[in-house]
Amino acid sequence: AQSVTQLGSHVSVSEGALVLLRCNYSSSVPPYLFWYVQYPNQGLQLLLKYTSAATLVKGINGFEAEFKKSETSFHLTKPSAHMSDAAEYFCAVIPFESSASKIIFGSGTRLSIRP
Amino acid sequence: NAGVTQTPKFRVLKTGQSMTLLCAQDMNHEYMYWYRQDPGMGLRLIHYSVGEGTTAKGEVPDGYNVSRLKKQNFLLGLESAAPSQTSVYFCASSFKRDYNEQFFGPGTRLTVL
Repeated sequence: AQSVTQLGSHVSVSEGALVLLRCNYSSSVPPYLFWYVQYPNQGLQLLLKYTSAATLVKGINGFEAEFKKSETSFHLTKPSAHMSDAAEYFCAVIPFESSASKIIFGSGTRLSIRP
Repeated sequence: NAGVTQTPKFRVLKTGQSMTLLCAQDMNHEYMYWYRQDPGMGLRLIHYSVGEGTTAKGEVPDGYNVSRLKKQNFLLGLESAAPSQTSVYFCASSFKRDYNEQFFGPGTRLTVL
C-alpha cells in the first residue's frame, strides 16, 4: 500500500535559517504529491503540488519542493525562515491508481522558529 | 466565497450521545471528504462522497455514518459517541478530477467524556 513518511515530527530552526522538511513516498509509479500547511487552530492550506509538469515546484510564502524520482522524495525547503512559518506541515500523495482524489497524508512535521 | 465551512466549531459529548457535524461548500465541488486528525497520526479519511446521493467508506469508517443529500452539504453522524472518537474533524472538498487538491474547512474539535 502507498505510504508517506515524514522524517522528524518536530524541526526547529533559527529565524533566517534554511528550512528543510523531509518527505519520502513509497510507489513504483510517481504519484501526485502535495505539501499542506496547518496554522494553529486552522484547517489545512495547500502550499504546493507536483503533477509531473516540472520537478521543482514553487509554492506560496517562498516555499519550494523538488521531486526526485530516484530517491522517491519530495522535500520542502525555504531559504530563509520567518517567524510566521511556524506551523505544522503535511506531505501527502494521491497514488497513481487512486480514484476520487483520495489523499494519503504523512504524520506531519511541526516547524518551530527560534528568534 | 466562504469556501468550506463546518458547524459546530467545538462540541463536548457524553459517551453514548449522538450528534451530527455539518460541512458546507460553495465551490460547486463534486467530491467531499471527512477526516479525523489525531496527534502524531496525520489525517485519516473517514468517509467520502463523489457526488450528490453517493457515499463511500474511507480508512476509519467504524462508528460514523454520512449523508450527501445536497451537492453542497456533507453530514457526518456519530450515533453513539465513544471516548475514542475524541478528535478534530475536518471536512474537505475537491473538483471532479482525479489528482486534484482538496480544500479544507476550519475543523470541529470534539471531546467525548
